[in-house]
Amino acid sequence: AQSVAQPEDQVNVAEGNPLTVKCTYSVSGNPYLFWYVQYPNRGLQFLLKYITGDNLVKGSYGFEAEFNKSQTSFHLKKPSALVSDSALYFCAGTALSGYALNFGKGTSLLVTP
Amino acid sequence: EAQVTQNPRYLITVTGKKLTVTCSQNMNHEYMSWYRQDPGLGLRQIYYSMNVEVTDKGDVPEGYKVSRKEKRNFPLILESPSPNQTSLYFCASSLYQAGGYNEQFFGPGTRLTVL
Repeated sequence: AQSVAQPEDQVNVAEGNPLTVKCTYSVSGNPYLFWYVQYPNRGLQFLLKYITGDNLVKGSYGFEAEFNKSQTSFHLKKPSALVSDSALYFCAGTALSGYALNFGKGTSLLVTP
Repeated sequence: EAQVTQNPRYLITVTGKKLTVTCSQNMNHEYMSWYRQDPGLGLRQIYYSMNVEVTDKGDVPEGYKVSRKEKRNFPLILESPSPNQTSLYFCASSLYQAGGYNEQFFGPGTRLTVL
């Protein structure tokens, strides 16, 4: 069985500080991993994905994520948070041979001025 | 404009009254999927479709039906809705390439309340 976990329900960070939103995965074989963001009353928007290759993946809005196979993690990062980054963030994953995408429960990010 | 559309956006109904939520995409995507979003549970996949006439169950398929007769449409059918199906529903689509997997484009959501 494959699964994705986001251990933090909420992350609070001050504007201008670096942010990290954590994600761990349990996927048999090589994983495809994604980050999505959901703003209030909106659908999910794609941020970035890891398929193969470089462990550091760059995405939209200045976000990046680091794939760590030994720790089975795919944490989302941004060097300097903005108030407008406040939203609900979802990590998602699937196995190379699979088609069903599993989402984490989401992490609410609050960036305060 | 490339998009996934869902209708209706909001629906209040009563237990047992059959309903259909439509989903349509204009990007010629092979893959389409339905999710439900519940507080504290994140998104859970209901059904997905790899292409026309090819569908499969996700994590929570009970009480739902889907069909994929045309590439652009993927309706979600609740034959006999129950209150535990009150949720926010999202349709999504993506390109599917053999050996690959692409980001999904999400619709705006349908908020369903079953009384």
